[in-house]
Amino acid sequence: DAGVTQSPTHLIKTRGQQVTLRCSPKSGHDTVSWYQQALGQGPQFIFQYYEEEERQRGNFPDRFSGHQFPNYSSELNVNALLLGDSALYLCASSSPGQGRDGYTFGSGTRLTVV
Amino acid sequence: DAKTTQPNSMESNEEEPVHLPCNHSTISGTDYIHWYRQLPSQGPEYVIHGLTSNVNNRMASLAIAEDRKSSTLILHRATLRDAAVYYCILRSGGSYIPTFGRGTSLIVHP
Repeated sequence: DAGVTQSPTHLIKTRGQQVTLRCSPKSGHDTVSWYQQALGQGPQFIFQYYEEEERQRGNFPDRFSGHQFPNYSSELNVNALLLGDSALYLCASSSPGQGRDGYTFGSGTRLTVV
Repeated sequence: DAKTTQPNSMESNEEEPVHLPCNHSTISGTDYIHWYRQLPSQGPEYVIHGLTSNVNNRMASLAIAEDRKSSTLILHRATLRDAAVYYCILRSGGSYIPTFGRGTSLIVHP
């Protein structure tokens, strides 16, 4: 049973460009959350998608946007990239009834902005 | 979400037990205590959770203080593969979004 799959694993972009990261949730999960993890820090919550809508959002600017598809997969888009956006981007999936038991995380996409 | 406090780092020897502490003095009565760990170059991994009673699973044990203001994650026999950052998180309210601090970096010596 595949867990959470993220693509690509690594990415290098130039300041000002736009990037799209992709996530396929674990089988049976319908909720997807995105996190940003800077080096040496814990993951910071960006937003969560359920039923193709953004359900909750953390303290991130509008440059960060997302989408969830009918098959529950999700994309994270970041516009006008800044050097400070360089980080590991993590996707986590869950089901509403199983949220209390824990989230399943992917291995992340390492984004480097130069 | 209520805040948790963990030591920045801890060290252990292989095959010895490890006790990772977490303080959560402002925990509310309905908050669950969750633990995740993050191995190098991987995403966080769910370890265990509990409410009031001590809990055991294949990965670890969770000991919760009687007043619930602190908890301890117990690895019964540390292995080199247990070297990771361990996060203690409280689940509060109806919407559970894991909120991570900096966690405890566990170093395991051979």
